[in-house]
Amino acid sequence: GAVVSQHPSRVICKSGTSVKIECRSLDFQATTMFWYRQFPKQSLMLMATSNEGSKATYEQGVEKDKFLINHASLTLSTLTVTSAHPEDSSFYICSAEGQGVTDTQYFGPGTRLTVL
Amino acid sequence: GQNIDQPTEMTATEGAIVQINCTYQTSGFNGLFWYQQHAGEAPTFLSYNVLDGLEEKGRFSSFLSRSKGYSYLLLKELQMKDSASYLCAVSGSARQLTFGSGTQLTVLP
Repeated sequence: GAVVSQHPSRVICKSGTSVKIECRSLDFQATTMFWYRQFPKQSLMLMATSNEGSKATYEQGVEKDKFLINHASLTLSTLTVTSAHPEDSSFYICSAEGQGVTDTQYFGPGTRLTVL
Repeated sequence: GQNIDQPTEMTATEGAIVQINCTYQTSGFNGLFWYQQHAGEAPTFLSYNVLDGLEEKGRFSSFLSRSKGYSYLLLKELQMKDSASYLCAVSGSARQLTFGSGTQLTVLP
C-alpha cells in the first residue's frame, strides 16, 4: 500500500513554543491530506482538510490561527501548533489521499506531542 | 451530520471468528472503511466498501448494507496479534472521514 511518513514521531516542548509536524506521501502524489487528533482512549477527530495550493478547511471548533496548515506540494503538508499549551498534548496523525488509490486514506505513523 | 456506533469492547478466543458491527447515519456517503489500530500507533487500512455486499481479503471480510446503514468486519482464525482497536469510518460527501469510537478487541489464548 501507499506510504505516508510523519516527522517528528515524538516531541516534547515548553508551553508557549511552536511545534511543526511534517507529513509526506512517499510513493504517490497526495492532492488531499487530512490532519487528525486523538486523545487517549478516544477515536480520531478530524481537525482540517488540506488541499495542495489552497487554504485548509478547518472543522468546527478548531482554531485556524492556532493550528497552521501548509500544503505546499503534492507530497508535503505541515501542521504548526502555535503557542502550544498542555491541553494541546495529543497524538497528531495525518493521512493522505492520492489520485488512483481508490479514495483510500493512508495514515502516517503519528506524532506524539507533549507540552510541559 | 454523522453518527457512527460500534461496540466499545469485545473478547474472543484464539482461532475463533468474531464479527464487529458498525451502524451509521450520515448526510453524505462515499464509502466505509475499517482500520486496525494498535495502542500508540496510527491506524492501518483493512478494508473499503462502497457498494453493498461482502469484500473478502484473507482472514478479514467486510460487509456493507447502504439501505440499512450497517457494516460489519469479520475476523476469522483469530490470532493473538489481532488484539487491537478496530475503527469504523465513513467517508462523507467531501471525502473526509468520520470515525466511530472504536471497538477494543481482546483475543484470549
